[in-house]
Amino acid sequence: EDQVTQSPEALRLQEGESSSLNCSYTVSGLRGLFWYRQDPGKGPEFLFTLYSAGEEKEKERLKATLTKKESFLHITAPKPEDSATYLCAGSGNTGKLIFGQGTTLQVKP
Amino acid sequence: GAGVSQSPRYKVAKRGQDVALRCDPISGHVSLFWYQQALGQGPEFLTYFQNEAQLDKSGLPSDRFFAERPEGSVSTLKIQRTQQEDSAVYLCASSYTGLNEKLFFGSGTQLSVL
Repeated sequence: EDQVTQSPEALRLQEGESSSLNCSYTVSGLRGLFWYRQDPGKGPEFLFTLYSAGEEKEKERLKATLTKKESFLHITAPKPEDSATYLCAGSGNTGKLIFGQGTTLQVKP
Repeated sequence: GAGVSQSPRYKVAKRGQDVALRCDPISGHVSLFWYQQALGQGPEFLTYFQNEAQLDKSGLPSDRFFAERPEGSVSTLKIQRTQQEDSAVYLCASSYTGLNEKLFFGSGTQLSVL
């Protein structure tokens, strides 16, 4: 059964304190590994898609990387506006996005 | 439209009532998905349409849940005889073509069953 697990569940950082979020996956025939950001009361907003091990993508203070078993979302020098829940999802043979439970990030000024 | 639109934004139902949740996807998007998100959890797949055809309904929790997209555009998720365990946020998403693509999500309908 396809499964995506994220850690930690919650993360509190000081502004400027860099860290990483982890996403472990077992998805048959992985076609894509997706990262989304979700703000309270909103739907998930697309950030990145990674397709193969070794691939990296960047957007402002965020960088996503992919290995054969995990993906990491690195946050460099975060700001309070980066506070949100970050969701990881895998898509494979079934074609459906299977989501992890998310990591809730709080960045304090 | 500019994005995926869902209505109502909030719905309170008494246990046993029927509810209907509406989703208006991005114009031109062929595929439409419904997800259920419990508090503190990630979204869970319910069902998937390509145009008007419902190609996968494997995630629907029971036969009380029914979804339709009769003209390949707007979709309705109906829940009959609501139960307390149905309380969740129901998210609709669309994509340009089909599976294995990034999804564009609406803001969801928060359903509370009392």
